[in-house]
Amino acid sequence: DSGVTQTPKHLITATGQRVTLRCSPRSGDLSVYWYQQSLDQGLQFLIQYYNGEERAKGNILERFSAQQFPDLHSELNLSSLELGDSALYFCASSVAPGTAIQETQYFGPGTRLLVL
Amino acid sequence: AQSVTQLDSHVSVSEGTPVLLRCNYSSSYSPSLFWYVQHPNKGLQLLLKYTSAATLVKGINGFEAEFKKSETSFHLTKPSAHMSDAAEYFCVVSGSNTGKLIFGQGTTLQVKP
Repeated sequence: DSGVTQTPKHLITATGQRVTLRCSPRSGDLSVYWYQQSLDQGLQFLIQYYNGEERAKGNILERFSAQQFPDLHSELNLSSLELGDSALYFCASSVAPGTAIQETQYFGPGTRLLVL
Repeated sequence: AQSVTQLDSHVSVSEGTPVLLRCNYSSSYSPSLFWYVQHPNKGLQLLLKYTSAATLVKGINGFEAEFKKSETSFHLTKPSAHMSDAAEYFCVVSGSNTGKLIFGQGTTLQVKP
């Protein structure tokens, strides 16, 4: 158990809908990262927050957004869902924002999203 | 820009024989490198990481990796495979100082009895 929790574990929804994925980082970790794992794209970095502020952005679609709240939990919002958004979404956390000597990121169990 | 290439998409070994999973990296500066493992229907677990200290890195469950700058490689090894090692393995490089991780495409390790 990494100490990172994600809810829900599974989510089935329809095209055009909107969903919210939730992540609670390990106690004491200030950074939260979101990754998407799909069969065709592999594991891709989406976005990072550090202590409530957006720190880095990856290949995140404009239909997707995220935020980190004062209690440090984070939510990833996916809207106008398409079939291709079906994937496993991971959240990870680390103590620091990321430096040249990289802090270890601890991953949650993921949320499996299926868009029908 | 940073990138990693895992040279084998699938590796099959017999239980008790050595494991070698190959990874080459590309980085414009001294990288931090990791190996993560993903068991079926599970999250990602850190096996080991290299952060410019010793070039031979020991990880959990008997795995090791050696950082070779001249070859830009970070291969993962284990002397003797166990059935429980069957999983997907990812070689990962950190991307600049933001904490972004860049994953290889993964290597599926099959362990035969």
